[in-house]
Amino acid sequence: SQTIHQWPATLVQPVGSPLSLECTVEGTSNPNLYWYRQAAGRGLQLLFYSVGIGQISSEVPQNLSASRPQDRQFILSSKKLLLSDSGFYLCACDRGRGNTEAFFGQGTRLTVV
Amino acid sequence: GIQVEQSPPDLILQEGANSTLRCNFSDSVNNLQWFHQNPWGQLINLFYIPSGTKQNGRLSATTVATERYSLLYISSSQTTDSGVYFCAVREYSTLTFGKGTMLLVSP
Repeated sequence: SQTIHQWPATLVQPVGSPLSLECTVEGTSNPNLYWYRQAAGRGLQLLFYSVGIGQISSEVPQNLSASRPQDRQFILSSKKLLLSDSGFYLCACDRGRGNTEAFFGQGTRLTVV
Repeated sequence: GIQVEQSPPDLILQEGANSTLRCNFSDSVNNLQWFHQNPWGQLINLFYIPSGTKQNGRLSATTVATERYSLLYISSSQTTDSGVYFCAVREYSTLTFGKGTMLLVSP
């Protein structure tokens, strides 16, 4: 089964600084990849998903962007962080062929100060 | 888009008790998953269950797709069962999550 690596586990960044969170996947090829954010209050919000290299769909307009430079690499970025970007960011993948089970990485807890 | 509602929002149990968590969804779905979020935030896959019934140890789940709901049963609860339980449904390309049920199992 696939393994999802996400780093860093925790991050404290000042307002206005850039952000780069990386997610890599092992054990599968051509996966669908996802970035979710969980703010205080428990709900998970889908931010971006990708069905292939260079293909990014954004679910909500925001201060963040995503890129997929390689088949099993998904990057979440920001040029200038806002306080409201604080939260728990989770990368997920599925095998991308029909109705398949999704798996999540361990997450990055981002605090913008 | 599809709506996912989970109930109850919070649940407190004594160790050894049984519980049922419910997930209702507003439209037909291609699949449904149950997750447990542990205290460190990691989402642990419990069940991938678009329909039917599955069991894994003390946990079992049933999805009745035609009636648009799924149930997660926890029997003989343990303190390690504490955390948030999420239901997520896939309509097309993406998973939509409910807001979760926060479970606290006390010794």
